[in-house]
Amino acid sequence: LAKTTQPISMDSYEGQEVNITCSHNNIATNDYITWYQQFPSQGPRFIIQGYKTKVTNEVASLFIPADRKSSTLSLPRVSLSDTAVYYCLVGERTGRRALTFGSGTRLQVQP
Amino acid sequence: EPEVTQTPSHQVTQMGQEVILRCVPISNHLYFYWYRQILGQKVEFLVSFYNNEISEKSEIFDDQFSVERPDGSNFTLKIRSTKLEDSAMYFCASRGRTGAEDTQYFGPGTRLTVL
Repeated sequence: LAKTTQPISMDSYEGQEVNITCSHNNIATNDYITWYQQFPSQGPRFIIQGYKTKVTNEVASLFIPADRKSSTLSLPRVSLSDTAVYYCLVGERTGRRALTFGSGTRLQVQP
Repeated sequence: EPEVTQTPSHQVTQMGQEVILRCVPISNHLYFYWYRQILGQKVEFLVSFYNNEISEKSEIFDDQFSVERPDGSNFTLKIRSTKLEDSAMYFCASRGRTGAEDTQYFGPGTRLTVL
């Protein structure tokens, strides 16, 4: 399994764009990059998944450079409700296998 | 939007007692999972279940643990003789088969406290 490295924590203010970068130097050819969000006392929630270049949905954007050794989750105009832990996972696309969570990035959004 | 539900939300038990944690996966999902998260630590995989059998399990999932899908809707995790170190949030997840249902959807969790 490719190991991922993320910042332990980040702080931001409401209305700002937040970019969380994840390093995955040993990503395999077939691996996808998936981001989950976890609020306190809740289960993780899927945010976005990508393989290369850029993926955007209604919640976030995911930027993946050509070498795929890192990825950046971008949250536009964060609000207080975006305060959560964000996890970067690397693995098969289908999500059928066990998910391996790291320590994640704790994002604190201030008013 | 369909959700995974779990009961109870909080379970307190004495060490050595058996507990059963219950989950109702999203209807029509085929893959089922249990994870746990000890306070302040990572989310850890326990077991996955498909076609009425365990498809994958971690080292944590020893003989004290068992899973069952007793009917068409429930998915349970049983801990036969609880230990203090079993205190954690236990999350159930389910997954569909193809397309947009590829991701695992997590329930809100059951907080297990072993005294």
